[in-house]
Amino acid sequence: DTAVSQTPKYLVTQMGNDKSIKCEQNLGHDTMYWYKQDSKKFLKIMFSYNNKELIINETVPNRFSPKSPDKAHLNLHINSLELGDSAVYFCASSVWTSGISNEQFFGPGTRLTVL
Amino acid sequence: RKEVEQDPGPFNVPEGATVAFNCTYSNSASQSFFWYRQDCRKEPKLLMSVYSSGNEDGRFTAQLNRASQYISLLIRDSKLSDSATYLCVVIMDSSYKLIFGSGTRLLVRP
Repeated sequence: DTAVSQTPKYLVTQMGNDKSIKCEQNLGHDTMYWYKQDSKKFLKIMFSYNNKELIINETVPNRFSPKSPDKAHLNLHINSLELGDSAVYFCASSVWTSGISNEQFFGPGTRLTVL
Repeated sequence: RKEVEQDPGPFNVPEGATVAFNCTYSNSASQSFFWYRQDCRKEPKLLMSVYSSGNEDGRFTAQLNRASQYISLLIRDSKLSDSATYLCVVIMDSSYKLIFGSGTRLLVRP
């Protein structure tokens, strides 16, 4: 069974559209993350939720809004998509112990292409 | 200066070779260190944590040098299957977030 799953795996859309990416983990972890990996393969954290509470919010445009309905889910909604949003988006989860993130388990990624 | 810096490579080595990667970090308050591995078009996966005393896992050895603020990964007896990108990861003291290096690409040839 997949530990961290993301849908869709591929997303091709026009500039200006609104799209969502879903993430689910069945590991019982209490913390989930969204990362963006650009064309230069640089992996950068965007958001993190611990027990449904936002704990990390990097300098990300307001067009990006994460939502965590429960500990096992963290979705990412993107409004008014731009060409520069094209990237691979990875969801991850981990256990949070004494304020430290342990090993993070990543989903397979969502390859977003904005035309 | 980037928070975490790695030589992007690629390192092109023959099977059986020993190869070492270094990674430097800028924040002396960093407290946790990891090496992740990412195969082409796949997600990153934890390879090993890096402890102050150094640690070994089979053919892989990780070292931490706090004074010089770098960590290293040594791979002995390289296999074709070791071909991947190796990501250095640092957790800063106050932010609790993982900072990834841009990765070092390794190509092991027959």
